[in-house]
Amino acid sequence: AQSVSQHNHHVILSEAASLELGCNYSYGGTVNLFWYVQYPGQHLQLLLKYFSGDPLVKGIKGFEAEFIKSKFSFNLRKPSVQWSDTAEYFCAVNAGAAGNKLTFGGGTRVLVKP
Amino acid sequence: DSGVTQTPKHLITATGQRVTLRCSPRSGDLSVYWYQQSLDQGLQFLIQYYNGEERAKGNILERFSAQQFPDLHSELNLSSLELGDSALYFCASSVGAASGGEQYFGPGTRLTVT
Repeated sequence: AQSVSQHNHHVILSEAASLELGCNYSYGGTVNLFWYVQYPGQHLQLLLKYFSGDPLVKGIKGFEAEFIKSKFSFNLRKPSVQWSDTAEYFCAVNAGAAGNKLTFGGGTRVLVKP
Repeated sequence: DSGVTQTPKHLITATGQRVTLRCSPRSGDLSVYWYQQSLDQGLQFLIQYYNGEERAKGNILERFSAQQFPDLHSELNLSSLELGDSALYFCASSVGAASGGEQYFGPGTRLTVT
């Protein structure tokens, strides 16, 4: 079965700091990878996705992620965070099975101090 | 606003009771997904429907059932409720059923079982 792990449960950083959130998945075949964000009191929104091609994917709001197949990783990065990036971030994988189910990691709560 | 609507926003009920959660997908989307988000289990896929037919099934309990109606809205029925069923239930929708399609999430229904 697929599984997704996010290494950090909580991250606290100051504005303008760089952010990197780790995500590892377990599945040997072709995968589709996603990062979703959930701002306080809001629904999940898609930040970026990887299906194939260039392993460096750019998303909305200045976020990017790098797919490293050999490491089964899909880490999320942002060079300079803002207070408005305070949110919970979820890595998700869709792989192999019929249908389009997403398997989510446990999430990382990010707090950006002004 | 993702275009996915869910009602009600909050639901408080007692153990042993039955509730129905409702979801309307984005206009044009044929697939509907249900996810459960709880503190101990995280975000878990429950079930996917595509154009009225069940497409994929996840960790959905036998006490839970879902359906998608001809107008494409979906209902998730939870019966014989237990304290552990308290969670946030998200609905998502996508255009197609195939792997990798972007899913748009609704605001969720928060269920509290007392």
